[in-house]
Amino acid sequence: DTGVSQNPRHKITKRGQNVTFRCDPISEHNRLYWYRQTLGQGPEFLTYFQNEAQLEKSRLLSDRFSAERPKGSFSTLEIQRTEQGDSAMYLCASSLQGAKGYTFGSGTRLTVV
Amino acid sequence: DAKTTQPPSMDCAEGRAANLPCNHSTISGNEYVYWYRQIHSQGPQYIIHGLKNNETNEMASLIITEDRKSSTLILPHATLRDTAVYYCIVRSLGSGGQGGSEKLVFGKGMKLTVNP
Repeated sequence: DTGVSQNPRHKITKRGQNVTFRCDPISEHNRLYWYRQTLGQGPEFLTYFQNEAQLEKSRLLSDRFSAERPKGSFSTLEIQRTEQGDSAMYLCASSLQGAKGYTFGSGTRLTVV
Repeated sequence: DAKTTQPPSMDCAEGRAANLPCNHSTISGNEYVYWYRQIHSQGPQYIIHGLKNNETNEMASLIITEDRKSSTLILPHATLRDTAVYYCIVRSLGSGGQGGSEKLVFGKGMKLTVNP
């Protein structure tokens, strides 16, 4: 297992376009998390899944953002009608329920021009 | 908001122990202290966590004061590869109805620079 995999690593998009990111967690991990990180700040929680159920969402996750984990394995994060303020690193992490720590991926860096 | 405070930066000489402080004066009884670090352009990496006893693993030691209002992460022999932003986080385990939350609330962290 190579850890948490995120694709693409980098994405440049024009304002107003939709983008989708993918996260493949560690295979036996039943929990999956999305975070967003802007320059100079720590990561901010967006949402998390236990298996396929989305159990918690941040108010940062506006109606332009949607996340899915349809079969309890990989997850996608979609941003519709992107804005320049969406430019950030989007991080995915996974864990086993009750485990001590998360394993983060290397992130997808989004630039909205 | 993050419930911890850390100095913004610290320097350490290679081969020396790095002692990274964290204040968490409002920590409650069921909250653990977690430490993560983030090396440039990578995702955060879990280091260690503890409730009230001191903890040690292959990466670091965690010393928590008796009143639990502060803690220190110790890297016993810092190397250049330990240069990173270190985050101290308090978190209760369990979600929703168990009184905890799955989310980690990161502050700005502390930049540790290990110098040759």
